[in-house]
Amino acid sequence: DIQMTQSPSSLSASVGDRVTITCRASQGISNYLAWYQQKPGKVPNLLIYAASTLQSGVPSRFSGSGSGTDFTLTISSLQPEDVATYYCQKYNSVPPTFGGGTKVEIK
Amino acid sequence: EVQLLESGGGLVQPGGSLRLSCAASGFTFSNYAMSWVRQAPGKGLEWVSGISGSGGTTYYVDSVKGRITISRDNSKNTLYLQVNSLRAEDTAVYYCAKVLVLLSQFWYFDLWGRGTLVTVSS
Repeated sequence: DIQMTQSPSSLSASVGDRVTITCRASQGISNYLAWYQQKPGKVPNLLIYAASTLQSGVPSRFSGSGSGTDFTLTISSLQPEDVATYYCQKYNSVPPTFGGGTKVEIK
Repeated sequence: EVQLLESGGGLVQPGGSLRLSCAASGFTFSNYAMSWVRQAPGKGLEWVSGISGSGGTTYYVDSVKGRITISRDNSKNTLYLQVNSLRAEDTAVYYCAKVLVLLSQFWYFDLWGRGTLVTVSS
């Protein structure tokens, strides 16, 4: 099975900072990559699919890029409401594996 | 309102069984593949199983094959997960989730239920 590795596992940044999270697939997955946000005590929320397509209703400060094995999620200007754990997920084949998550906190 | 509502979780002894349900509303249920995703306490997300819109094709993660059966009743807009031979490591919140794309089996999810907690302990 394809493994998904996220880095860092956690980060702390200031409001307004640019934040980048990386996700690496153990094999090429083209652009079959989604990103989710899970706020504390809440259910996951789809942010991005097809590596770079913003889901409806998601703020434009979120963006995704990458193809093949290396992907990034960028928050252009971190806001207090962005405190959450972020997960990548590949979906080109079964099982659609999630990364281990990146916890984002405010400094 | 578009929503998913899980039920059926609870405390069960090791070796026991549970049947989880997920009631869907607000969309044409039979047009969408569905999945179960679980999250152990304080841990990440793990996809467990998926089923096509018609119910004719099912998928499982290797770690649960033989112990879990996914099914759906499109006449009742309900998804099920039968979990047998429960182990401590099955303790988790179990979410049902709907795929985004109509009539596809691209397993990424735009709608999640609130989850139902399964605790396996003696």
